[in-house]
Amino acid sequence: DSGVTQTPKHLITATGQRVTLRCSPRSGDLSVYWYQQSLDQGLQFLIHYYNGEERAKGNILERFSAQQFPDLHSELNLSSLELGDSALYFCASSVDQGSGNTIYFGEGSWLTVV
Amino acid sequence: GQNIDQPTEMTATEGAIVQINCTYQTSGFNGLFWYQQHAGEAPTFLSYNVLDGLEEKGRFSSFLSRSKGYSYLLLKELQMKDSASYLCAVTCEPHDKIIFGKGTRLHILP
Repeated sequence: DSGVTQTPKHLITATGQRVTLRCSPRSGDLSVYWYQQSLDQGLQFLIHYYNGEERAKGNILERFSAQQFPDLHSELNLSSLELGDSALYFCASSVDQGSGNTIYFGEGSWLTVV
Repeated sequence: GQNIDQPTEMTATEGAIVQINCTYQTSGFNGLFWYQQHAGEAPTFLSYNVLDGLEEKGRFSSFLSRSKGYSYLLLKELQMKDSASYLCAVTCEPHDKIIFGKGTRLHILP
């Protein structure tokens, strides 16, 4: 158990809908990262927050947004869902934002869009 | 931009040694991670290299050459439970982005 909690674990929804994925980082961690992993793809970096502020953006679609709240939990919002958005979404956290800080992954949220 | 290359799949025999290579081209390189991921599970941390050279940790070792943009993960005394994907990831500026390669699926044969 990494200490990073993600909910829900599984989600099935229809095209065009909107979902919110939630992440609670490890106690004391200030950085939260979101990744998307599709069947034949590696972990695609979406976005990084540090202590409530956006620090880096990857290949995140405009239909997707995220935020980190004062209590440091984070939410990833996915809207106007398409079949291709079906993937495993991972949240990860680290104590700081500097190099060498190991990032610890949650168990992921499986999203299936039908 | 960043580019990370790893072999897609490798096969090795139980008890043997296997080396998984990773090459990268990136600006603002800071360091390199190796993670292990079993199918459908979360990646778990194996190693982090920032300086050139070999870091040994039990059956697993990781090597980095910054000048060559090259790393490898060495797994010794392979066990069936080592069947997994191995992900190479680089941290780079700005803001220490952590970018993963597509991973190498390692199959262990009895």
